[in-house]
Amino acid sequence: DIQMTQSPSSLSASVGDRVTITCRASQGIRNDLGWYQQKPGKAPKRLIYAASSLQSGVPSRFSGSGSGTEFTLTISSLQPEDFATYYCLQHISYPLTFGPGTKVDIK
Amino acid sequence: EVQLVESGGGLVQPGRSLRLSCAVFGFTFDDYDVHWVRQAPGKGLEWVSGITWNRNTIAYADSVKGRFTISRDNAKNSLYLQMNSLRAEDTALYYCAKKDGPHGFDHWGQGTLVTVSS
Repeated sequence: DIQMTQSPSSLSASVGDRVTITCRASQGIRNDLGWYQQKPGKAPKRLIYAASSLQSGVPSRFSGSGSGTEFTLTISSLQPEDFATYYCLQHISYPLTFGPGTKVDIK
Repeated sequence: EVQLVESGGGLVQPGRSLRLSCAVFGFTFDDYDVHWVRQAPGKGLEWVSGITWNRNTIAYADSVKGRFTISRDNAKNSLYLQMNSLRAEDTALYYCAKKDGPHGFDHWGQGTLVTVSS
């Protein structure tokens, strides 16, 4: 099974900050990775697919990069509505696996 | 508009069974793979099971293998999850999700809550 790790597990940031979250896979997954945002009481929402493609309707301050085993999600200028938990998901092979999540809260 | 609507959750005793349903709207159901993902209270996301559009591939997480069965009825635009021998650790919000070709999950339902407790 492919294990996904994320760092940090949580972070505190201010509006306007640049935020970077890292996801690492235990083996190469090409670019078969997505990033999801989840707010309390809501279903996850996809932000990025294929590691670096922006989901339609998602603000351009979100970007993804990486391939193989290391991936990053960057928020260029954090907005109030971005405080949430972020998950990566590998879907190259079963079982599909999510990272443990990164909670972004207000400093 | 794409919608996925889960139902069938509830309170159930350990060892009993429950069947979840997911009705889909707004897309051609039999063109897409669909999956179940769950989230225990206060925890992260856990993939549970998935089925391809033509039922050729069905997969399960080890944690549910042998107890849960995924199925779909393309004529009814519906996905199902038969859950047997339920355990306390199966307590979670269960989401159905549409897979966007090779690109992960692009649409999710709002979830149905399953609580396993005596």
